[in-house]
Amino acid sequence: EADIYQTPRYLVIGTGKKITLECSQTMGHDKMYWYQQDPGMELHLIHYSYGVNSTEKGDLSSESTVSRIRTEHFPLTLESARPSHTSQYLCASSTPRGALSYEQYFGPGTRLTVT
Amino acid sequence: AQSVSQHNHHVILSEAASLELGCNYSYGGTVNLFWYVQYPGQHLQLLLKYFSGDPLVKGIKGFEAEFIKSKFSFNLRKPSVQWSDTAEYFCAVRSGNQFYFGTGTSLTVIP
Repeated sequence: EADIYQTPRYLVIGTGKKITLECSQTMGHDKMYWYQQDPGMELHLIHYSYGVNSTEKGDLSSESTVSRIRTEHFPLTLESARPSHTSQYLCASSTPRGALSYEQYFGPGTRLTVT
Repeated sequence: AQSVSQHNHHVILSEAASLELGCNYSYGGTVNLFWYVQYPGQHLQLLLKYFSGDPLVKGIKGFEAEFIKSKFSFNLRKPSVQWSDTAEYFCAVRSGNQFYFGTGTSLTVIP
């Protein structure tokens, strides 16, 4: 079973607030990802990281930022939350360093509602 | 960029019926293929994967998928579904360092 954690699991917040969604993994994976998931839609990649101090924007950066100061930690920050940010946010990780297998492991998600 | 199409958005089956969910991706080259499942209230879990070798891959819970390179397809199958298979199923393709997901198929199995 994958060890990837996300907090909070649910969050309701007002417009304009700054929020940080936490994601941690204990598998030593170098690659980590943030996705946005809405019902009936494909997962949209928001940000990804190939390792410490390496971050890239995905197709849908959604006015958010990420940091990767430690291998195990990949937080996502929304500087000013908007109702359009209401969604499910999934964190994932993949690939121990040097491995050939590229499957992703997903966290339980954070359900964000911006009022 | 790569794109992934899942043709069935919502499938309803009776228990013991056979299942086939379609998945096509947009272009070739070296790809790895995956099916993920998301049971109600749970996180996405890997069902099966294809990297190389035998194009017929077997996964957990009796699921299998066949990679047909000429058709850019990776369809998921199960000969006899159970009520506990009710879930959302996502096809995914790894191309380069990114993963691309389909829109998902919601499967409801009626007892």
